[in-house]
Amino acid sequence: AQKVTQAQTEISVVEKEDVTLDCVYETRDTTYYLFWYKQPPSGELVFLIRRNSFDEQNEISGRYSWNFQKSTSSFNFTITASQVVDSAVYFCALSDLDTGRRALTFGSGTRLQVQP
Amino acid sequence: NAGVTQTPKFQVLKTGQSMTLQCAQDMNHEYMSWYRQDPGMGLRLIHYSVGAGITDQGEVPNGYNVSRSTTEDFPLRLLSAAPSQTSVYFCASSYARDYGYTFGSGTRLTVV
Repeated sequence: AQKVTQAQTEISVVEKEDVTLDCVYETRDTTYYLFWYKQPPSGELVFLIRRNSFDEQNEISGRYSWNFQKSTSSFNFTITASQVVDSAVYFCALSDLDTGRRALTFGSGTRLQVQP
Repeated sequence: NAGVTQTPKFQVLKTGQSMTLQCAQDMNHEYMSWYRQDPGMGLRLIHYSVGAGITDQGEVPNGYNVSRSTTEDFPLRLLSAAPSQTSVYFCASSYARDYGYTFGSGTRLTVV
């Protein structure tokens, strides 16, 4: 069975600090996708990134960066120079392709609070 | 292009009542799924569909029914609502050749 673990329930930082959100996953599949979503206080799910299991290159998008390490089954998310607008709940998710189910397994989320 | 539309946005039910949460997408996506979000538990898969006429259970299917008579619609039915079904419900769709997911804006359901 698939599983996604986000051990950090809540993180509080002061604006301009860097923060890393951890994500560890379990799957027996060889082909899968990993995702990060942001859920601001308004409640919608905002897609941030998708990474397939064959692409271990790290990715940077502005202040956001992602570190995918297959050897440790981790897909960590770093926000550099955090801002108050980054305050949200962040979810890591896994989608297996081998079973053809095409649905997501989510972690329990990490609530990030950025203090001014 | 509306994406994934969920209705209603908010609903209050009494225990034992039935209702249907609507989900419609206009992107011709083959795959659709329903999730519920509870505090501290992330989103959990209720039911999913890989095409019209084909549905299957997710992690937490008890108390919910689904059907997929058309590609566009994937309604979620609560036959006899219970307080444990108080949650925020999200519908998502996905296209076979792409591995992204489009989510609806959610339905906040309270069962009293």
